[in-house]
Amino acid sequence: EPEVTQTPSHQVTQMGQEVILRCVPISNHLYFYWYRQILGQKVEFLVSFYNNEISEKSEIFDDQFSVERPDGSNFTLKIRSTKLEDSAMYFCASIRGILNTEAFFGQGTRLTVV
Amino acid sequence: DQQVKQNSPSLSVQEGRISILNCDYTNSMFDYFLWYKKYPAEGPTFLISISSIKDKNEDGRFTVFLNKSAKHLSLHIVPSQPGDSAVYFCAASDPGNTGKLIFGQGTTLQVKP
Repeated sequence: EPEVTQTPSHQVTQMGQEVILRCVPISNHLYFYWYRQILGQKVEFLVSFYNNEISEKSEIFDDQFSVERPDGSNFTLKIRSTKLEDSAMYFCASIRGILNTEAFFGQGTRLTVV
Repeated sequence: DQQVKQNSPSLSVQEGRISILNCDYTNSMFDYFLWYKKYPAEGPTFLISISSIKDKNEDGRFTVFLNKSAKHLSLHIVPSQPGDSAVYFCAASDPGNTGKLIFGQGTTLQVKP
């Protein structure tokens, strides 16, 4: 069964450093997302990406965040200057089509900012 | 701004009995709802969904009921099994057609043998 894969599974970084979280969505999916879950809280939408551009972003997704799909398969989330409050599980998701289809999630990257 | 709410943080049931997880929403424009199951250190896994044109959708042991007038949905698991122990998230698909999901806070289900 096709799946969304994320690397690394766990990333520890020092405050102020840049991190890149990587995702390989399901190959025939067209819409891509990043979500995050701070420990003990709900899963929150960060950004959606379609046709090589951001289609929507949340207020969390400020200028320190960026996404790109550099090679047609990988989908990356970059955090330019990490803060302690960026510590969370980050989930990549993809869907095949926009109407009433379920999103498939990766296993997540646990980001710890120290 | 909690558009999707799961008011019960936890639920404990005996193996073989029914588990009922509840979810409320505030936005009447929501027309597609999903339930996800999540184990620790894993991503959410899709369980079952329902469109607003239906009031019930069933898949094996899992049934989702939608009451549009009450803006309420529920997930029934019967019979419950110990392997069902996980966090269950209710989600609504944003009507803005970006496919983004709005999640509830989750309910931790424990099924005791």
